[in-house]
Amino acid sequence: TQLLEQSPQFLSIQEGENLTVYCNSSSVFSSLQWYRQEPGEGPVLLVTVVTGGEVKKLKRLTFQFGDARKDSSLHITAAQTGDTGLYLCAGSDDYKLSFGAGTTVTVRA
Amino acid sequence: DTGVSQDPRHKITKRGQNVTFRCDPISEHNRLYWYRQTLGQGPEFLTYFQNEAQLEKSRLLSDRFSAERPKGSFSTLEIQRTEQGDSAMYLCASSLERWTYGYTFGSGTRLTVV
Repeated sequence: TQLLEQSPQFLSIQEGENLTVYCNSSSVFSSLQWYRQEPGEGPVLLVTVVTGGEVKKLKRLTFQFGDARKDSSLHITAAQTGDTGLYLCAGSDDYKLSFGAGTTVTVRA
Repeated sequence: DTGVSQDPRHKITKRGQNVTFRCDPISEHNRLYWYRQTLGQGPEFLTYFQNEAQLEKSRLLSDRFSAERPKGSFSTLEIQRTEQGDSAMYLCASSLERWTYGYTFGSGTRLTVV
């Protein structure tokens, strides 16, 4: 059973467009991490957010952590084909991560 | 150190056979984790080691599964009497004591039980 709900499940956009994916939980986590996973590979860490209300920017990616530390969003500006992949959020309490089912993002050239 | 290494990358086995996977973590990381991922799902926690001590095992890890981390270095995950439901990607990850730095995952071992 996934504790974290991610939406949408699938997202297909044209190169240059913007996109937002969401991660929601009924539980409070002490931190939340976002990973990107390509087919046949393990997830790669993008960011860790710890403080409620925190916003982090990594180039074209903007991550927000909700004030109540139960929800998060990932926004990509001017998507590129290299952004294609499965985006996973994971809530953390101490050492263990609880993952959502992910959002599959396809960026068309 | 080039990251977390897993071997083999792919394994096809007949139902009822035993299989063993190996994980070599980043050398400075004292924490090592095993996760399992099925199609359309995120990874699910299986077990966790701090150095050589196995500190938690998920209910998902039946008696047919065993994991070891001798000397706190590499780890092995063995599945005995494999079943078709064991087919999945088995992911190993490692981290520093301060988990907020995040995990580094390996590329995984894809197991297919036929």
